[in-house]
Amino acid sequence: DGGITQSPKYLFRKEGQNVTLSCEQNLNHDAMYWYRQDPGQGLRLIYYSQIVNDFQKGDIAEGYSVSREKKESFPLTVTSAQKNPTAFYLCASSIGGGFLNPTDTQYFGPGTRLTVL
Amino acid sequence: QKEVEQDPGPLSVPEGAIVSLNCTYSNSAFQYFMWYRQYSRKGPELLMYTYSSGNKEDGRFTAQVDKSSKYISLFIRDSQPSDSATYLCAMSAEGKSTFGDGTTLTVKP
Repeated sequence: DGGITQSPKYLFRKEGQNVTLSCEQNLNHDAMYWYRQDPGQGLRLIYYSQIVNDFQKGDIAEGYSVSREKKESFPLTVTSAQKNPTAFYLCASSIGGGFLNPTDTQYFGPGTRLTVL
Repeated sequence: QKEVEQDPGPLSVPEGAIVSLNCTYSNSAFQYFMWYRQYSRKGPELLMYTYSSGNKEDGRFTAQVDKSSKYISLFIRDSQPSDSATYLCAMSAEGKSTFGDGTTLTVKP
């Protein structure tokens, strides 16, 4: 089955701890994205990567970090600097191409629900 | 002002009703328009996409785009309880997508 997997489904963190959320895709997509979704709100872009070993900050990157060492993987670390990390985190991927591919469509993983205790 | 504004809802309709979900946008550069459906505690799934003004139909779903008015709609005919979900509109320009906040729909049997 082709798709995007995220793990774990639920994650609990104590204040002051860093945690890493996993995102893997086997769709051979170049681009990957991380979003945060809060209750009753839309998706806010944290980081995105158009190609391996390159990534850019989204609208709310403060307190988060990412890496893109492999095409298939785009892990997100929620650091202790993130003041309000409790949220639903969604990873997505797309074929990519930026402005060269205006019809690029994102496909989402099942999400990870992070709760800070 | 947000680039994409979506009717906030929530929306509650009886089974069999016709549902209209709407978004407006301000960025004329948006070229590609999508609708996602998100069930509770799940990731969004792509429902429909369209690249031009006009209507696109897929079963009970019709996506409508009016670029001159910067307005898009998703119509659901003969709505079913299984359609109960949050619907997100999304638009892209130069490969970057912007999402609406979502409208939560409940279809009552």
